[in-house]
Amino acid sequence: EAQVTQNPRYLITVTGKKLTVTCSQNMNHEYMSWYRQDPGLGLRQIYYSMNVEVTDKGDVPEGYKVSRKEKRNFPLILESPSPNQTSLYFCASSLIAGDYNEQFFGPGTRLTVL
Amino acid sequence: RKEVEQDPGPFNVPEGATVAFNCTYSNSASQSFFWYRQDCRKEPKLLMSVYSSGNEDGRFTAQLNRASQYISLLIRDSKLSDSATYLCVVTSSGGFKTIFGAGTRLFVKA
Repeated sequence: EAQVTQNPRYLITVTGKKLTVTCSQNMNHEYMSWYRQDPGLGLRQIYYSMNVEVTDKGDVPEGYKVSRKEKRNFPLILESPSPNQTSLYFCASSLIAGDYNEQFFGPGTRLTVL
Repeated sequence: RKEVEQDPGPFNVPEGATVAFNCTYSNSASQSFFWYRQDCRKEPKLLMSVYSSGNEDGRFTAQLNRASQYISLLIRDSKLSDSATYLCVVTSSGGFKTIFGAGTRLFVKA
């Protein structure tokens, strides 16, 4: 089944404890992206990747890192999480970047930082 | 000012009603336009792309006015299953950057 998977789905952690949220797609998509969703603000793009080893900042990259060593994986790293990073996180992928390419989303990761 | 603005609603309509959602965007260099649907606590899913010529998919019609930087979605003959949040989405920079509106919540009642 074609899908985007994220792990973990739920995570409660404490301030400063490094964590990684994994994202994997099995559709051979070139483009992948991370978003966070907060009430009243909608989804905001954190980072995106156009292909292996090519990443760039979205609108809210502060406090996050990403890497794209393989086409299928695009992990999101929080080196020192803070309470303002408590949010619902979505990973997405599309076949290629460009006009009118549908993004497929993972099921989301609900992160709470205490 | 937000780059993509939507009326947050909620819109409460009876089954069978016609409902229209509006969206405005501020970046005139925006390239692609979409409506996504999001059910409560679930991932967004593409409802339809929005083209300058306007496009229709069953009960759903989308329009784009580039001069006014305005996008609309019309839902005819609303069903209970249409209850969801509708997200206006705009891309730029070759499709790499994606901006979501905050969403419009729709409740369809029996």
